[in-house]
Amino acid sequence: TQLLEQSPQFLSIQEGENLTVYCNSSSVFSSLQWYRQEPGEGPVLLVTVVTGGEVKKLKRLTFQFGDARKDSSLHITAAQPGDTGLYLCAGALTGANSKLTFGKGITLSVRP
Amino acid sequence: DTGVSQDPRHKITKRGQNVTFRCDPISEHNRLYWYRQTLGQGPEFLTYFQNEAQLEKSRLLSDRFSAERPKGSFSTLEIQRTEQGDSAMYLCASNRRGGETQYFGPGTRLLVL
Repeated sequence: TQLLEQSPQFLSIQEGENLTVYCNSSSVFSSLQWYRQEPGEGPVLLVTVVTGGEVKKLKRLTFQFGDARKDSSLHITAAQPGDTGLYLCAGALTGANSKLTFGKGITLSVRP
Repeated sequence: DTGVSQDPRHKITKRGQNVTFRCDPISEHNRLYWYRQTLGQGPEFLTYFQNEAQLEKSRLLSDRFSAERPKGSFSTLEIQRTEQGDSAMYLCASNRRGGETQYFGPGTRLLVL
């Protein structure tokens, strides 16, 4: 059983479209991080959310942490081919400096 | 801030050989983590250090695996008697005391033939 479920697992869209992807759990996290990973590379941090209900924006990306700190969403506006990659969410269960539990990731492909 | 570095980036070895990977964390980060990622999966936690002390080990870390951080700076991960199932990306991450965010290195991709 995966502690963090990410959906959809795969997504292929046209450049300019909007999309929302999800990261869900039945567990409460002290923080949740989103990373993007390119093939053969390590995950690169996009955002960290720590407060229930928190919304953070990074250019065309909007991240929301659920009120109960069990889930998160990532919305991309006007997707571009450069957004293509694997999006991973990772949660810390027991406070700062604890190990991260990852979802399986969402593979996004943005066609020009 | 030079980021987390890992060496080597790629390693091909034959089954039964020993391999060692190195991780240099971001300077002044006192916590260092090792994760393993197989194809189609997210990274899975292996172990972490606070300074030179190894504070937690996953059950994934069999007795063929050993990690050290002797001076509280860089860390090494050794796999003895490698098996084909050890083929994976080995990732290192670090953060500072009280920090929520972990920063990852580029990883070492291991292929065991």
